[in-house]
Amino acid sequence: EPEVTQTPSHQVTQMGQEVILRCVPISNHLYFYWYRQILGQKVEFLVSFYNNEISEKSEIFDDQFSVERPDGSNFTLKIRSTKLEDSAMYFCASSETGGDTEAFFGQGTRLTVV
Amino acid sequence: AQRVTQPEKLLSVFKGAPVELKCNYSYSGSPELFWYVQYSRQRLQLLLRHISRESIKGFTADLNKGETSFHLKKPFAQEEDSAMYYCALSGGATNKLIFGTGTLLAVQP
Repeated sequence: EPEVTQTPSHQVTQMGQEVILRCVPISNHLYFYWYRQILGQKVEFLVSFYNNEISEKSEIFDDQFSVERPDGSNFTLKIRSTKLEDSAMYFCASSETGGDTEAFFGQGTRLTVV
Repeated sequence: AQRVTQPEKLLSVFKGAPVELKCNYSYSGSPELFWYVQYSRQRLQLLLRHISRESIKGFTADLNKGETSFHLKKPFAQEEDSAMYYCALSGGATNKLIFGTGTLLAVQP
C-alpha cells in the first residue's frame, strides 16, 4: 500500500540553524500539507500546497518557514534560524484531491532544537 | 472561529464496555468531520468520516448539526482499540484539517 514517507525520523539541531524536513507524498496525490504537534498539544495546520504553490497557510507559517517541491516527488519544509519553540513533531500529509478525500500522513519527523 | 473540542484527555474503560469519545465543533459553514486514530508507534490514519456514514472496526459517529457534535461510539471495546483518537474538521478552499486535542482511549483487560 502506498504511503507518505518522511525523513529524517528525528532531527536535532542547534538554535539558529536551518533545517530541512523532507517528505515523499503518495505519487498520484495533488494536495500536500505540513502539520506540527508540539509535545502535549494538538496537531496544528501549517501550510497546504497545490499546483506548485502555497494554497493556504496558518499564522504559524511566517517568514521563518518555506516549502518547496524541488522535483516530482519530494516536498520539503525549511525552517530558518530555528528557535527552541520550534521543537515539535512535524507531519507531512497528502491527499488525492481536496474535498472530503482522505489525507494520508507520514510517520512524522521529531525536531529537537537545543 | 473554527475549532474542535475534545473534552476528555483520557478515557479508560474495560474490555467489552461501551465507548463514547466526545467531539464538538465550531464552524461557520458545512464542515466535513473526521475521526483519525493513532495507534502506538504508528502514523495518524483515517478511521471514519461523516460523509460516508460507515462503520469501521465497530466504530460509528453521527454528525449532529443541532448540537454541533460528532461523537465516536463503539458498543463493545476491545483491547486493540487502545489508541489516541483525534476528531478533525475540514473546510475552506484547501480542506486543511483542524484537529481537536485528542483523547487517549485505554481499554483494560
